[in-house]
Amino acid sequence: QVQLQESGPGLVKPSQTLSLTCTVSGGSIGSGGYYWSWIRQHPGKGLEWIGYIYYSGSTFYNPSLKSRLTLSVDTSKNQFSLKLSSVTAADTAVYYCASRRGSYYYFDYWGQGTLVTVSS
Amino acid sequence: QTVVTQEPSFSVSPGGTVTLTCGLSSGSVSTGYYPSWYQQTPGQAPRTLIYGTNTRSSGVPDRFSGSILGHKAALTITGAQADDESDYFCMLYLGSGISVFGGGTKVTVL
Repeated sequence: QVQLQESGPGLVKPSQTLSLTCTVSGGSIGSGGYYWSWIRQHPGKGLEWIGYIYYSGSTFYNPSLKSRLTLSVDTSKNQFSLKLSSVTAADTAVYYCASRRGSYYYFDYWGQGTLVTVSS
Repeated sequence: QTVVTQEPSFSVSPGGTVTLTCGLSSGSVSTGYYPSWYQQTPGQAPRTLIYGTNTRSSGVPDRFSGSILGHKAALTITGAQADDESDYFCMLYLGSGISVFGGGTKVTVL
């Protein structure tokens, strides 16, 4: 069974770049078939899809975040990462990484989530 | 901008049946949107319930079922139990790699 674990700073200053990494175990990112995904949830709010990356490096971004967002993948470490630039308090959220089945368009495995607070 | 709509809240009696819906701000939901449903309790990551409109994820009880009702996707809980009290989110695939979640429905069992 695939397991995902987010890691990264829990506090980021406004205007800086938020960086998170998701480590995958129980499966290989490089084997294909999955899109490696980020989702966030603002405090007390709903879920927001951020973007996906395939092992080849192909990416799909939420249009509302595209100008600030970079996803990357490191198949040698079985990790994928998120960078969100120029953050504001509105980017304070729990960030989840998840796997999306390629041909079924749903998230099957989720990380436990990590809270990132943007504050000076 | 396409908005995915869900009822804000529902209340159901233990043993009762409740149907949550997932619509589009413009247009109808069909199987081609690959509706999926997720259950979330406070402080926990979402749990996948249904994908591809009506396929239950592994380990999900058969009291949860998905369908298309009219012009919306639907999640029905039949024989609600106390631990079904959760937030439920639907997600639609809009094409071109874009997925959108609904705002979620808070289900209370009482």
